[in-house]
Amino acid sequence: AAGVIQSPRHLIKEKRETATLKCYPIPRHDTVYWYQQGPGQDPQFLISFYEKMQSDKGSIPDRFSAQQFSDYHSELNMSSLELGDSALYFCASSWTQGSYEQYFGPGTRLTVT
Amino acid sequence: AQTVTQSQPEMSVQEAETVTLSCTYDTSENNYYLFWYKQPPSRQMILVIRQEAYKQQNATENRFSVNFQKAAKSFSLKISDSQLGDTAMYFCAFISGNQFYFGTGTSLTVIP
Repeated sequence: AAGVIQSPRHLIKEKRETATLKCYPIPRHDTVYWYQQGPGQDPQFLISFYEKMQSDKGSIPDRFSAQQFSDYHSELNMSSLELGDSALYFCASSWTQGSYEQYFGPGTRLTVT
Repeated sequence: AQTVTQSQPEMSVQEAETVTLSCTYDTSENNYYLFWYKQPPSRQMILVIRQEAYKQQNATENRFSVNFQKAAKSFSLKISDSQLGDTAMYFCAFISGNQFYFGTGTSLTVIP
């Protein structure tokens, strides 16, 4: 079965640079979520999209933005990167007509140096 | 505000034994979903089990079962016949609207 795809899997950036993370949800899933998981932390919800519209916002810094495109893939754009942005970034998707469970991608490990 | 609490940061269990991971949550909503996710050393987040709040029957998935006590807002995970591959971080999660709230996790080690 198709799973959530995230790219790249690993990314190394320097402070003040910009990064773009991509997420391809499971086909027919209508909702995409982004999470940030720091070392030893639980995943923190950043933002979600339902049918290409932003539906909920969590602890996403103003330096970050995200959008969902017509083909349902989503991108998380991170600017003015800081050392503290180093984390594992998960994308998850779900089908709200089902039972709401989220299926997670493998994550993108971002390292800011 | 919705909160999820996992009061056991670390647990261990002998292989083939049974272990129960605790989770409590706080919400004013009546209809919601609860989940347990497993995160092995690979860091992949894997859904273990799901419980709909409107269902009184406890969910079961093979060796994994839950004890859902809605009035007490408790949602514990029981792992029977523990296997070495069960070693992982386990997160309890609650969904409200389009937001997931995770607990801080319980690190489970299965000892051979």
